[in-house]
Amino acid sequence: AQKVTQAQTEISVVEKEDVTLDCVYETRDTTYYLFWYKQPPSGELVFLIRRNSFDEQNEISGRYSWNFQKSTSSFNFTITASQVVDSAVYFCALSGLTSGTYKYIFGTGTRLKVLA
Amino acid sequence: KAGVTQTPRYLIKTRGQQVTLSCSPISGHRSVSWYQQTPGQGLQFLFEYFSETQRNKGNFPGRFSGRQFSNSRSEMNVSTLELGDSALYLCASSHRWGHSNQPQHFGDGTRLSIL
Repeated sequence: AQKVTQAQTEISVVEKEDVTLDCVYETRDTTYYLFWYKQPPSGELVFLIRRNSFDEQNEISGRYSWNFQKSTSSFNFTITASQVVDSAVYFCALSGLTSGTYKYIFGTGTRLKVLA
Repeated sequence: KAGVTQTPRYLIKTRGQQVTLSCSPISGHRSVSWYQQTPGQGLQFLFEYFSETQRNKGNFPGRFSGRQFSNSRSEMNVSTLELGDSALYLCASSHRWGHSNQPQHFGDGTRLSIL
């Protein structure tokens, strides 16, 4: 069975602080994909990044960085120098082949509050 | 490029009624998926349509159904509404079905409240 765990329900930080959002996944698939999405108050989930199971390179995009470690089944997301606009709910998702087709499994999300 | 459009944005219904939600995917996207988002259960996959056929289904009762039209627009129907159906219903589109490695593009959702 596939599972995504985001243990942090809510995090509050002060602007300019760094913050890391944790994501731990479970899957028996050898080929799978991991994603992060951001959901601002408007409701629309916005795609941030995807990573396939064969690529463990970390990635940096501006103030965002992602650390993928297969050994610990984790795909953590760090925001450097956080800003108020980063306030949102962040979802980690796993897409793996189950019963012949890929299915998306989302974590329960982490609500990030960045205080001015 | 226009994004995923969901209508209506808000809906209030009473128990026992039925409701239809609409989703227009990004132009060129042929896969449409539906999700239910609630505070208690998070984001749960309902079903996915591609080329007017349901390709994938989550664990929801038969009261939840959908369809897709030849222009890739999709509708979701919920019959005999229950209080627990109150949720934000999100639609997402992507190029191919089965999600695979494709990011999904989400609409703003329809917030359904059952009284």
